[in-house]
Amino acid sequence: DVKVTQSSRYLVKRTGEKVFLECVQDMDHENMFWYRQDPGLGLRLIYFSYDVKMKEKGDIPEGYSVSREKKERFSLILESASTNQTSMYLCASSPPRAMGTEAFFGQGTRLTVV
Amino acid sequence: SQQGEEDPQALSIQEGENATMNCSYKTSINNLQWYRQNSGRGLVHLILIRSNEREKHSGRLRVTLDTSKKSSSLLITASRAADTASYFCATVLTGGGNKLTFGTGTQLKVEL
Repeated sequence: DVKVTQSSRYLVKRTGEKVFLECVQDMDHENMFWYRQDPGLGLRLIYFSYDVKMKEKGDIPEGYSVSREKKERFSLILESASTNQTSMYLCASSPPRAMGTEAFFGQGTRLTVV
Repeated sequence: SQQGEEDPQALSIQEGENATMNCSYKTSINNLQWYRQNSGRGLVHLILIRSNEREKHSGRLRVTLDTSKKSSSLLITASRAADTASYFCATVLTGGGNKLTFGTGTQLKVEL
């Protein structure tokens, strides 16, 4: 089974802190995604990566950056956490040439910024 | 902006009834996918339909796609309490590479 693992289920951070959310997949997938999920807004794409060191902005990249130094790991970085970044963060991966194939999700990280 | 919007936002039915959820999207797609999310968990892929397909089945799931109306529907037949979850449609755009964009979701509650 494909496994996508997010480093924390729950995280509490202070305003202004630099926050790292880690995601690891074990299926050699080319594509990896970071979404945030808020009530009534569904999933919004923050960033995605289609190869090592390659990234593209999603719909809401402001206040976030990403790092993909190895194929299996995709990190989301909150440069200076703010209370409006309190949310559920979901990581996903999908196989190469993913025009037609499914994404596999981690269990999510619920981040609270106080 | 959201590519897809589901309708209704919430749906409550009795066990054994059918549940229908609709998804509308804005631009030309390569394929459309449906996912399920149990409360507070990650999403699980249910079914994918390509832009040149009109209908697809998987167990108790039936998905239709009308590209002229830019809409899709997910039908769950003979629903069970265990089907209680949120359901999301997601699209891969024509020429959009691998980017997967989600809608706002439908919360389904199946009561005993």
